Amino acid sequence: GAGVSQTPSNKVTEKGKYVELRCDPISGHTALYWYRQSLGQGPEFLIYFQGTGAADDSGLPNDRFFAVRPEGSVSTLKIQRTERGDSAVYLCASSPTGAYQETQYFGPGTRLLVL
Amino acid sequence: DQQVKQNSPSLSVQEGRISILNCDYTNSMFDYFLWYKKYPAEGPTFLISISSIKDKNEDGRFTVFLNKSAKHLSLHIVPSQPGDSAVYFCAASPFHKFYFGSGTKLNVKP
Repeated sequence: GAGVSQTPSNKVTEKGKYVELRCDPISGHTALYWYRQSLGQGPEFLIYFQGTGAADDSGLPNDRFFAVRPEGSVSTLKIQRTERGDSAVYLCASSPTGAYQETQYFGPGTRLLVL
Repeated sequence: DQQVKQNSPSLSVQEGRISILNCDYTNSMFDYFLWYKKYPAEGPTFLISISSIKDKNEDGRFTVFLNKSAKHLSLHIVPSQPGDSAVYFCAASPFHKFYFGSGTKLNVKP
């Protein structure tokens, strides 16, 4: 079956611009996660959705970052006033229910480059 | 403050031999541990997991060992194959938030 998909696969923008990154989770998965991976590092947690609501947004670095999941399926990560330090791979993952000790399945990521 | 550490950035192994990848963690609240494999330009792919109530989990050529007292886990791949060449990340969680190590790049030589 189809896995997690993310669009665009690559995004180049200029400092100060606004960007939106999209994630399509595995069909039927109610839990959705965003992570950010900088060069040479492992993924770092940003936010977790259970259905339509953000159950944990403790990983968002500042108020320039915002994410939504209005219908409990597709999610959009929004970054305002981008900075060069935002350049990274943004990974989305989903899991069936968000239950305890549940595996998360990752998409291919969006590579964001802020010039 | 890195709570999950992979201290070996790279590992080179001959085909057919055993690969051992190591991971250390600091948070005693972690009770679920996973290994992911990542090829260039792809997202991490789930490989194997272990709950803290176990000390070993095996799936084909892959075995994960957990030593809770030492806060250490390892992934054994036997026998190693050239297709296993990738970056391996360990992850740990107390619930929904996964904490990842920085990865070990495994190169299996034919």
